Amino acid sequence: DIQMTQSPSSLSASVGDRVTITCRASQGISNYLAWYQQEPGKVPKLLIYAASTLQSGVPSRFSGSGSGTDFTLTISSLQPEDVATYYCQKYNSAPWTFGQGTKVEIK
Amino acid sequence: EVQLVESGGGLIQPGGSLRLSCAASGFTVSSNYMSWVRQAPGKGLEWVSVIYSGGSTYYADSVKGRFTISRDNSKNTLYLQMNSLRAEDTAVYYCARLESWGQGTLVTVSS
Repeated sequence: DIQMTQSPSSLSASVGDRVTITCRASQGISNYLAWYQQEPGKVPKLLIYAASTLQSGVPSRFSGSGSGTDFTLTISSLQPEDVATYYCQKYNSAPWTFGQGTKVEIK
Repeated sequence: EVQLVESGGGLIQPGGSLRLSCAASGFTVSSNYMSWVRQAPGKGLEWVSVIYSGGSTYYADSVKGRFTISRDNSKNTLYLQMNSLRAEDTAVYYCARLESWGQGTLVTVSS
């Protein structure tokens, strides 16, 4: 099975900072990658699908890039409401594995 | 409006069975890839199972042979039959389309 590895596992940044989270697949998955945001105590919310397509209603400071094995989620200017755990998920074929998550905090 | 509403969770003894339901509205379950995802207390998201629009089903190794995903097209509802439950199956279970998730239902396996 393809493994999904996120890094870092946690980060602390200041409001306004540019934040980058990476997700690496152990084999190529084309662009079948989604990014989710899970705020504390809430249901996961889709941010990005097809590696780089912004889900409707998601602020434009979020962006995704990559294809094959290496993917990136970028928050261009971190806001207090972005405190959450972020997960990548592959969905090219089963199992639809998640990354282990990246916890984002405000410094 | 798209909505997913899970039900059927609860406290169950090890070795027991539960059936989770996920009632969908605003879209057709049978035309979509539908998944179950779980989250143990304080842990990350774990994919459990998927049923494709064509009916093919797949499972995580951790539940293979114990859990069964299915759907009732007439009720537009997704199910997860969980047998031989273990303490490590304790989690909030979400049904999900890629962009839409239910609120989750808590399954606690404990004696």
